[in-house]
Amino acid sequence: GAVVSQHPSRVICKSGTSVKIECRSLDFQATTMFWYRQFPKQSLMLMATSNEGSKATYEQGVEKDKFLINHASLTLSTLTVTSAHPEDSSFYICSAEGATEAFFGQGTRLTVV
Amino acid sequence: AQKITQTQPGMFVQEKEAVTLDCTYDTSDPSYGLFWYKQPSSGEMIFLIYQGSYDQQNATEGRYSLNFQKARKSANLVISASQLGDSAMYFCAMREGSGADTGRRALTFGSGTRLQVQP
Repeated sequence: GAVVSQHPSRVICKSGTSVKIECRSLDFQATTMFWYRQFPKQSLMLMATSNEGSKATYEQGVEKDKFLINHASLTLSTLTVTSAHPEDSSFYICSAEGATEAFFGQGTRLTVV
Repeated sequence: AQKITQTQPGMFVQEKEAVTLDCTYDTSDPSYGLFWYKQPSSGEMIFLIYQGSYDQQNATEGRYSLNFQKARKSANLVISASQLGDSAMYFCAMREGSGADTGRRALTFGSGTRLQVQP
């Protein structure tokens, strides 16, 4: 199946700094990618839909100024957590979707100290 | 309202036995797809099986089968001959819509079931 690569897999940052997470589709072009967040022992919750060449669509309650999404090419979407705080610590995972399967990146475990 | 409901927070099964993980869904869209994913402690999402709303037969993939009961809006996952490596979180998910538009629609996930396979 198609491959989505997410980097980094794990990051620890200081409160107040920004962190960029990359999501690449390695063998196909993804005009749309999705960013999810998963808190411990909870399900995946959609944060935003990343559209190539246009603005991302954010879910209700997700701060667009805090979670900056850029989808500048058909193979790369980035999520930047700006001015990170400890409550932003979570597992972030991206996906691109095919007809009968959604292809997920490996996920990024963010810890803000 | 919850679109995907998984009522079993945790399940235990003996190695080599079969186990059913429950999933019910709610949608008014006649076209939709149902997915099951396995998430081990590493966090990766491993695709297991897919069922389209118009599929006449239940989907099967190796030891995984999906018991699709459309009238009841249920899509239970059956794992046969459980293995120790099956211990993980299992998520049921749905995507509404069909055709070229599906790539632009995200999945909606249930709350998950933690399966523990005992030797």
